[in-house]
Amino acid sequence: EDQVTQSPEALRLQEGESSSLNCSYTVSGLRGLFWYRQDPGKGPEFLFTLYSAGEEKEKERLKATLTKKESFLHITAPKPEDSATYLCAVHSGGSYIPTFGRGTSLIVHP
Amino acid sequence: DAGITQSPRHKVTETGTPVTLRCHQTENHRYMYWYRQDPGHGLRLIHYSYGVKDTDKGEVSDGYSVSRSKTEDFLLTLESATSSQTSVYFCAISPGQVLGGYTFGSGTRLTVV
Repeated sequence: EDQVTQSPEALRLQEGESSSLNCSYTVSGLRGLFWYRQDPGKGPEFLFTLYSAGEEKEKERLKATLTKKESFLHITAPKPEDSATYLCAVHSGGSYIPTFGRGTSLIVHP
Repeated sequence: DAGITQSPRHKVTETGTPVTLRCHQTENHRYMYWYRQDPGHGLRLIHYSYGVKDTDKGEVSDGYSVSRSKTEDFLLTLESATSSQTSVYFCAISPGQVLGGYTFGSGTRLTVV
């Protein structure tokens, strides 16, 4: 059974204080790892897909990296508008449907 | 959300009544999904569709049924609503099963009293 664990559950940062969110996974043959951002009262918004270890993707202040066991979402010099819940999902060779983690709630204080 | 609309956005219903939630897309995507999101559980798949009249169960399908008579519409029905089905329901679409990520709707907040 595929498993996805995100940590920490909640993270509070000061504006400009860089940090990382973690997504650890156990799957039988990774086909893709996805990061989403979810604002309160809205549906998740797709950010990145990573397919193989060593791959990196960037978007503005966000950078996602992937190893064989985990993915990191690095947030550089965050701003209050980066406050959201960040979800990780993995798609394995054993399933047609991705497994979602429970998310990390990020709050960035001005 | 661009290309995908859920209705209603909010609904309060009584235990034992039938409820239908609608998802409408304008992207002509083949795959459509219904998820529920609850605190402590994250997103859990209820049912999904891989084409018109082609549907399959997800991990929490008990008490739910779906129908897809047109590419653009995917309906989720709670035959007899229970308090445990109080949740936020999200519809999602994708052109393929692994290619890229999903596009989610804005959600329906359902309260069963």
